Amino acid sequence: DIVMTQSPDSLAVSLGERATINCKSSQSVLYSSNNKNYIAWYQQKPGQPPKFLIYWASTRESGVPDRFSGSGSGTDFTLTISSLQAEDVAVYYCQQYYSSPATFGPGTKVEIK
Amino acid sequence: EVQLVQSGAEVKKPGESLKISCKGSGYIFTTYWIAWLRQMPGKGPEWMGIIYPGDSDVRYSPSFQGQVTISADKSVNAAYLHWSSLKASDTAMYYCAREAEMSTQLFDYWGQGTLVTVSS
Repeated sequence: DIVMTQSPDSLAVSLGERATINCKSSQSVLYSSNNKNYIAWYQQKPGQPPKFLIYWASTRESGVPDRFSGSGSGTDFTLTISSLQAEDVAVYYCQQYYSSPATFGPGTKVEIK
Repeated sequence: EVQLVQSGAEVKKPGESLKISCKGSGYIFTTYWIAWLRQMPGKGPEWMGIIYPGDSDVRYSPSFQGQVTISADKSVNAAYLHWSSLKASDTAMYYCAREAEMSTQLFDYWGQGTLVTVSS
């Protein structure tokens, strides 16, 4: 199975400031035939299921605010919240869907400083 | 509006059986794969397996093969996760999720979760 790691475990950011979350896969998730990175990001608020945010490492799902952006390729990926809002307090997970079984990172908790 | 509605929380004893459900609406249920995922407290979700309600084709993660059974009843737009003999280590939140059109193993809609507690 592909192992996903995330850093930091948690971070506290002031309202309006940038939050950056890192995700690393134990092997490349870049599929050479279509040049796509098989990485998704989810947001989970307390007591709620995960919410689908980003796929193909950088494509926002419909309705996701443009302050959320994803980047990276191969084994190293980043989720950036450009201007943190109060409603962004949550745990964020990266997930690889390059190979079965799909695997998720351990999560990064984002709080307000 | 796509919705996946799961059955309510369960408290069971070790050795008991359990079947939880996930009912889909707002889309053609038989044409999307439905996955089951386990989430332990403070951890990321784990993919357990997946079913295609159209023909009940099922795939399991090796980690969960033989531990649970996934089934579906397309006449009522429902998928199920079944344990024949629960263990304390099965205590967790369980989610069903719809596989997205863009790719396999990608999940665009999730149920609200079913908390399963196994305790003597």
